Amino acid sequence: DAKTTQPPSMDCAEGRAANLPCNHSTISGNEYVYWYRQIHSQGPQYIIHGLKNNETNEMASLIITEDRKSSTLILPHATLRDTAVYYCIVRVYSGGGADGLTFGKGTHLIIQP
Amino acid sequence: DAGITQSPRYKITETGRQVTLMCHQTWSHSYMFWYRQDLGHGLRLIYYSAAADITDKGEVPDGYVVSRSKTENFPLTLESATRSQTSVYFCASSATSESEKLFFGSGTQLSVL
Repeated sequence: DAKTTQPPSMDCAEGRAANLPCNHSTISGNEYVYWYRQIHSQGPQYIIHGLKNNETNEMASLIITEDRKSSTLILPHATLRDTAVYYCIVRVYSGGGADGLTFGKGTHLIIQP
Repeated sequence: DAGITQSPRYKITETGRQVTLMCHQTWSHSYMFWYRQDLGHGLRLIYYSAAADITDKGEVPDGYVVSRSKTENFPLTLESATRSQTSVYFCASSATSESEKLFFGSGTQLSVL
């Protein structure tokens, strides 16, 4: 799986868009970008994933650069409940996460009131 | 309730005792996983299972035993608990058809005294 680099922490004002970057310069053509988040003392929660096209769901948007070497997770209107650690994971599709996902240190996003 | 449940939520035990952490899911997901989370190490995979009676070691399997006689259950046993196994344990499951979309339980906080 390709290595990812994320800033250790970020702040964002409540109501503003939170943009979380992830670098994955060694990503290969068949590797997807996945985002999870972990709210304090809870289990991680899947947010979104994509291969090369931008993706949007009810939680967030995922923007992947054309060269696929980086991506940005966007929370359009951040709330205090979005304070969490956000993990960017890059890996080949294997069907159901066959041998498990590897979680790095992620970005601790703090939403300020 | 449908979903993935872990029990107990909190457990205190003594060094040398056997402890079993339970995990139950109602989705009939093929894949199930056990992770532990410690400060400074993040989430680490202990064991995973692709189906009933199929299990495999993850990154940190030593000192743990798993079984999966039924699709919905994936218990994790510490045969002789050590203080280094004090941690928060998360169980997760995923479907073969859902690309790396893991669903996590609420976790078990285990303290070994």
